[in-house]
Amino acid sequence: DIQMTQSPSSLSASVGDRVTITCRATQSISTYLNWYQQKPGKAPKLLIFAASSLQSGVPSRFSGSGSGTDFTLTISSLQPEDFATYYCQQTYSSPFTFGPGTKVDIK
Amino acid sequence: QVQLQQSGPGLVKPSQTLSLTCAISGDSVSSNSAAWNWIRQSPSRGLEWLGRTYYRSKWYNDYAVSVKSRITINPDTSKNQFSLQLNSVTSEDTAVYYCASGRYSYESWGQGTLVTVSS
Repeated sequence: DIQMTQSPSSLSASVGDRVTITCRATQSISTYLNWYQQKPGKAPKLLIFAASSLQSGVPSRFSGSGSGTDFTLTISSLQPEDFATYYCQQTYSSPFTFGPGTKVDIK
Repeated sequence: QVQLQQSGPGLVKPSQTLSLTCAISGDSVSSNSAAWNWIRQSPSRGLEWLGRTYYRSKWYNDYAVSVKSRITINPDTSKNQFSLQLNSVTSEDTAVYYCASGRYSYESWGQGTLVTVSS
């Protein structure tokens, strides 16, 4: 199975900050990498698919980059509604594994 | 816009079968471009993809090795829905279960069902 790691596991940031989250795969997954946002008690929400494509309706302050084994999610200017947990997921090969998550909370 | 509505019991006894259903609106379970997934989430295991069913001129299933001996995902074309069955459950199967649509990314999710395995 392809294992996904994320760093950091948590971070504290202020409104307006630029935030970067890293995701790494144990083998090359090309650009079969998605990013999700999850708030407590809710299902995950797709933000970025295919490593860098913005899902319809998602604010442009979210962006993704990377290919192969290393990927990043960037929030250019953190907003109050962005405090949540973020997960990466690979869909290159089954089983389609998720990262352990990065919790973004208020500094 | 695909919408998914989950149903099923929130309490299952150990060694019994967990059964959940996901009703689809806005798409067809028989779509040649879609895939229909089950995912669960627990504090100990995080988000765990369990398996999927999809139609490409015939039906296919794909399961995670961790549950492969115990899982069945079936489409129901008459009701436009798909189901999850997980046999011989233990306390390790206690989790929030989600259905989700998508082939390479999961655009739509069900509301989640907390399933507790307890006698």
